[in-house]
Amino acid sequence: QSVLTQPPSASGTPGQRVTISCSGGSSNIAINVVNWYQQLPGTAPKLLIYSNNQRPSGVPDRFSGSKSGTSASLAISGLQSEDEADYYCAAWDDSLNGAVFGGGTQLTVL
Amino acid sequence: EVQLVESGGGLVQPGGSLRLSCVASVFTFSRYWMSWVRQAPGKGLEWVANINHDGSEKNYVDSVKGRFTISRDNAKNSLYLQMNSLRVEDTAVYYCARGYTYGPDFHSWGQGTLVTVSS
Repeated sequence: QSVLTQPPSASGTPGQRVTISCSGGSSNIAINVVNWYQQLPGTAPKLLIYSNNQRPSGVPDRFSGSKSGTSASLAISGLQSEDEADYYCAAWDDSLNGAVFGGGTQLTVL
Repeated sequence: EVQLVESGGGLVQPGGSLRLSCVASVFTFSRYWMSWVRQAPGKGLEWVANINHDGSEKNYVDSVKGRFTISRDNAKNSLYLQMNSLRVEDTAVYYCARGYTYGPDFHSWGQGTLVTVSS
């Protein structure tokens, strides 16, 4: 059972906009920044969004992040086949004094 | 381009020990927080431990406290994870990751090394 809760799966058709939610609590998302990772099959994770809504250089602006209260969201617009991957949210938890990840969301492009 | 190369994984029996290493290059290693993150086969990501720039601050996930020790040698641009009293549930790919803060802002990752704990 992950501290941060994500839907196990999501899907969309090419060109569509999809969102992935990440629900936490008062000791993690409410008071710390949220980061998002993309993991393609058989590869290491890649940072997609940091500090709630910042994109590292090289990440397309189709990807965006937001946070409100104890929840965060990752939005992907103009969905492409290469976006098919697992997506994870992560944040620091002050009560656990450690980093926590969501359980991951498997995105399928139909 | 930032490079992080892990090594030291392998097959070990329950109760055994293993030491993972991660060698960094193309950046000033001593300026960054470093972490170990693992992923059990077919499962999600789990943060294991982190260490600050000079090794004076370390944090661990509860499940490895007292069994794993994270350390670093800035002169050798290297990060380590000493794993003792290994359990079957420690089986995973272990990644080293570079961050700017103590939080999970991992801008760079290694390719991972597989640790299998089995009799």
